[in-house]
Amino acid sequence: DAKTTQPPSMDCAEGRAANLPCNHSTISGNEYVYWYRQIHSQGPQYIIHGLKNNETNEMASLIITEDRKSSTLILPHATLRDTAVYYCIVFYTNAGKSTFGDGTTLTVKP
Amino acid sequence: NAGVTQTPKFRILKIGQSMTLQCTQDMNHNYMYWYRQDPGMGLKLIYYSVGAGITDKGEVPNGYNVSRSTTEDFPLRLELAAPSQTSVYFCASSAHRERGEKLFFGSGTQLSVL
Repeated sequence: DAKTTQPPSMDCAEGRAANLPCNHSTISGNEYVYWYRQIHSQGPQYIIHGLKNNETNEMASLIITEDRKSSTLILPHATLRDTAVYYCIVFYTNAGKSTFGDGTTLTVKP
Repeated sequence: NAGVTQTPKFRILKIGQSMTLQCTQDMNHNYMYWYRQDPGMGLKLIYYSVGAGITDKGEVPNGYNVSRSTTEDFPLRLELAAPSQTSVYFCASSAHRERGEKLFFGSGTQLSVL
């Protein structure tokens, strides 16, 4: 599975868009990009995933570059409840063997 | 659907004691995993299983054992508990689908070894 690189922390103003970047330059052709978040000490929660097309669901949007070497998770209108650690992982199957790393701590400020 | 259920939620052990952390999923997932998470750190894979009767070591398996006798259950055994095993433990499961593979997590077990 490809390794990912994320900034350790980011801040965002409440109501503004939060854009979280992830680099995955060694991604293989069949590997998906997944985003999870962990609020306090709860179990990580699935947010969104994609292969090569941009994706949107009720929680967020995922923008994947054309060369698939990086992606951005967008929370369109961040709220205080979006304060969490966000993990970007890349894999094809056997999801749990992926390395979660330390993720990005997003702090949404009033 | 209950999803992934972990018990207990909290436990305090004395050094040298043993215990089993229970994990059950009702989604018929073939893959199951155990992680530990130390304060301020990411998840580290302890053991995983790709199906009943098949288990394998992850990144940090020392001091732990697992078994997978059924698709639903994946218990984690701590033998001779040590303070270094104080952590939050998460169980997770997944199943590969044509459009991707979501990982589902339990709510965690907070373990203190004193």
